[in-house]
Amino acid sequence: ILNVEQSPQSLHVQEGDSTNFTCSFPSSNFYALHWYRWETAKSPEALFVMTLNGDEKKKGRISATLNTKEGYSYLYIKGSQPEDSATYLCAFIGTASKLTFGTGTRLQVTL
Amino acid sequence: NAGVTQTPKFQVLKTGQSMTLQCAQDMNHNSMYWYRQDPGMGLRLIYYSASEGTTDKGEVPNGYNVSRLNKREFSLRLESAAPSQTSVYFCASRGFYSYEQYFGPGTRLTVT
Repeated sequence: ILNVEQSPQSLHVQEGDSTNFTCSFPSSNFYALHWYRWETAKSPEALFVMTLNGDEKKKGRISATLNTKEGYSYLYIKGSQPEDSATYLCAFIGTASKLTFGTGTRLQVTL
Repeated sequence: NAGVTQTPKFQVLKTGQSMTLQCAQDMNHNSMYWYRQDPGMGLRLIYYSASEGTTDKGEVPNGYNVSRLNKREFSLRLESAAPSQTSVYFCASRGFYSYEQYFGPGTRLTVT
């Protein structure tokens, strides 16, 4: 069983704060890393797919970086808004078909 | 395009009962997956099907069977439900050239 860990488990920030969280994964047999955003009572939605060491992806106020040599990825949210409240999941792909998910970071943004 | 659909949305079973969770996708995806989501555990892969006609075990296959009926449909069967199978079940699919998985809305199953 692969070890994909996310930290922190949960996070409470105020509107306007910037924040970041970490996903760590095995550095060998890397194929790709996904970040998903998962709102309560909905299904996970893909944010980023990252494949290359040094990859940086951005979508609006959310960005992610990837370090495959040391086995970690950071997700950053700039100027958090209440609508950013969700669980953020990372998923490691070591083979072409299967994802191994981390347990997620639950973000709550309050006014 | 409906994407990935799952039925039913909610189900309550008694211990020992059987049921089948249905999943269908209309995106012509090759790979389909069944996950369960439990508090503090994230999403865990039960079974997956890399292509029509093939199925493989994931991380937590015990107590489940699957059928890849055709390219569109992938069902998950609980032959004799147990309280430990109380969970939210998600189906997902993925196209051949994409890593991204698309998820269905989930089925909330309670076994009493």
